[in-house]
Amino acid sequence: GNSVTQMEGPVTLSEEAFLTINCTYTATGYPSLFWYVQYPGEGLQLLLKATKADDKGSNKGFEATYRKETTSFHLEKGSVQVSDSAVYFCALSNAGGTSYGKLTFGQGTILTVHP
Amino acid sequence: KAGVTQTPRYLIKTRGQQVTLSCSPISGHRSVSWYQQTPGQGLQFLFEYFSETQRNKGNFPGRFSGRQFSNSRSEMNVSTLELGDSALYLCASSRGDRTNTEAFFGQGTRLTVV
Repeated sequence: GNSVTQMEGPVTLSEEAFLTINCTYTATGYPSLFWYVQYPGEGLQLLLKATKADDKGSNKGFEATYRKETTSFHLEKGSVQVSDSAVYFCALSNAGGTSYGKLTFGQGTILTVHP
Repeated sequence: KAGVTQTPRYLIKTRGQQVTLSCSPISGHRSVSWYQQTPGQGLQFLFEYFSETQRNKGNFPGRFSGRQFSNSRSEMNVSTLELGDSALYLCASSRGDRTNTEAFFGQGTRLTVV
């Protein structure tokens, strides 16, 4: 079956530091990969996505590249801000068959950025 | 374009009662999926509806059920509530076709069972 593994958290950084959150996956076929962000008391917001190998998703300074050879989709940002403090989830979707409408999530990584 | 709307935002119920949660998807989206989020188990898939039919189901007991109406709005019902059902329930809407699996989430319904 499908699974997603995220790096152990929480992650604490100073403002303007470089961020990496590791994500690896196990899936059959060619899944789509996503990063979602959740702010306190809120639902999940789609941060970025990639639908095929070597695609790079990017948004708001965050980037992630779909690496099929290492089954990874690591999230990076060159300079974090206090407002980036949130929980980040890596997820995958395999369209069709028994996977319709189902996102498989990692356990989430809590990011705290201090001024 | 309006986002995904979930109602109510907060609910407090007593053990043994039942509860119904509602989700209105983004206009034009025909798929609605439901997830349970808890600190211990993380985000777990409940079920997915597309054009009023359940297409996929997670590993939850039969106390958890859902339905979808012709306007794509969806409801989920939990009967005989247990303390362990306390969670944030999230719904996500998407077009639901093979070529686009991008899902958009509502703000969730926080259910507390006492």
